[in-house]
Amino acid sequence: KAGVTQTPRYLIKTRGQQVTLSCSPISGHRSVSWYQQTPGQGLQFLFEYFSETQRNKGNFPGRFSGRQFSNSRSEMNVSTLELGDSALYLCASSQRTGGTGELFFGEGSRLTVL
Amino acid sequence: GENVEQHPSTLSVQEGDSAVIKCTYSDSASNYFPWYKQELGKGPQLIIDIRSNVGEKKDQRIAVTLNKTAKHFSLHITETQPEDSAVYFCAVPLLGGGADGLTFGKGTHLIIQP
Repeated sequence: KAGVTQTPRYLIKTRGQQVTLSCSPISGHRSVSWYQQTPGQGLQFLFEYFSETQRNKGNFPGRFSGRQFSNSRSEMNVSTLELGDSALYLCASSQRTGGTGELFFGEGSRLTVL
Repeated sequence: GENVEQHPSTLSVQEGDSAVIKCTYSDSASNYFPWYKQELGKGPQLIIDIRSNVGEKKDQRIAVTLNKTAKHFSLHITETQPEDSAVYFCAVPLLGGGADGLTFGKGTHLIIQP
C-alpha cells in the first residue's frame, strides 16, 4: 500500500507570493491533517479535514487555508508569503477520527521563502 | 488549548544504555498519548501509544508509562542501538480527543554514542 505522498518536496518562493501544496493520503484514509515544522516552534497543527469538511483549525493567520477533495486528496495554500513561513509542511492521514488514531505522515514539502 | 512540555531537548547515551524522555500535559481530559520518531529527511512515525485506561505498555525495547494523576507520561528505550538515533516527539490529542489532530512536544534529539 502506498504511503502518504506530498508534492512538491522542495520549493523556493519570494515574499508576497503564494504557494499551494498537495497531499495524497493512504488509500482508504478519509482524514487528512497538516502540520508546520520549524526548528523554533516544532510541530504545529494547521488544520484537519474529514470528508471534505474542515474539522479543526490551529492558531494560524487566515493566509493559511486548505481544502479536501472527494477522493480525500488535500491541498493547502499560503498567500502573501512571509519569511517566517519557511518551514517543512507535513501532511498526515488517518483511518479514524476523534484524535486517537495513528497518523501516517508524508515526507513533507520544504518551503523556503526569500 | 492543550500544552505539552517535553524534556530533555537533547539526550546523549552510550549504545546499550537506556534512554528516558518525559512529557507533561495540561488537559486532564486527554485520553491518548502517542510517541513519534522522526528520522532525518522523513516524516514522524508512530512507535508506541498508550490510552488512559492503562498505566504502562511495552513493545520489545520500548515502553511508555502514564501517570494520569500527575499528568505526565514517559518513553523508555532499553538496550539502545545506533538506529535509535532520531528526534522523538510526544503528543496529546487536540481538545482532549474531540477532533483529529495532535499537540506535539518540542522534541528530543536522541544521540546514541558508539
